[in-house]
Amino acid sequence: EVQLVESGGGLVQPGGSLRLSCATSGFTFSNYWMNWVRQAPGKGLEWVASIKQDGSEKYYVDSVKGRFTISRDNAKNSLSLQMNTLRAEDTAVYYCARSIMGATMNDWGQGTLVTVSS
Amino acid sequence: EIVMTQSPATLSVSPGERVTLSCRASQSVSSNLAWYQQKPGQAPRLLIYGASTRATGIPARFSGSGSGTEFTLTISSLQSEDFAVYYCQQYGSWPLTFGQGTKVEIK
Repeated sequence: EVQLVESGGGLVQPGGSLRLSCATSGFTFSNYWMNWVRQAPGKGLEWVASIKQDGSEKYYVDSVKGRFTISRDNAKNSLSLQMNTLRAEDTAVYYCARSIMGATMNDWGQGTLVTVSS
Repeated sequence: EIVMTQSPATLSVSPGERVTLSCRASQSVSSNLAWYQQKPGQAPRLLIYGASTRATGIPARFSGSGSGTEFTLTISSLQSEDFAVYYCQQYGSWPLTFGQGTKVEIK
């Protein structure tokens, strides 16, 4: 069974940092693109970042470029999102997702809530 | 950036009815279009990819069509478990973008 479990969310002050993790199991992690998608409270879905199987390609939404870094550890089957210089508008549930066909989000974790507030 | 526009924002439907949701891209995405369903408090679920291919385990009442800039998700006979928000997403080019969603609610 494919499992994606996010952790690391919480309350952080504006300008602060947070590192999200996604532990995966049930599939060969190193074979798939991985992604972060977020959803602000009561709002729609927003793609945040994607990373290729070997980490050689990374893509970001403009609003997080230079502040967020996606990374992966294929030996530990885990995905990470380092978030720096956080803003109130980064408040959201952050989901990790696996891509199978193109850059679709085939499997999702349950999400972790990040709240940026003073 | 490719902007995805979904219509309508909300659809009030009775169980058993046929439902058609629309998604328009600001430029061609070929067939690189996916549909997701999200219920309250849950993660989204992939329904359709490649504009028309059902994901594993998705019932046959869900179908997708279109290419280029115009896409449609059809639910042939709405079941109680289908009341949810539906999103389209293009993956033809970076950045990936989602539509704003269509809420299908009980009439």
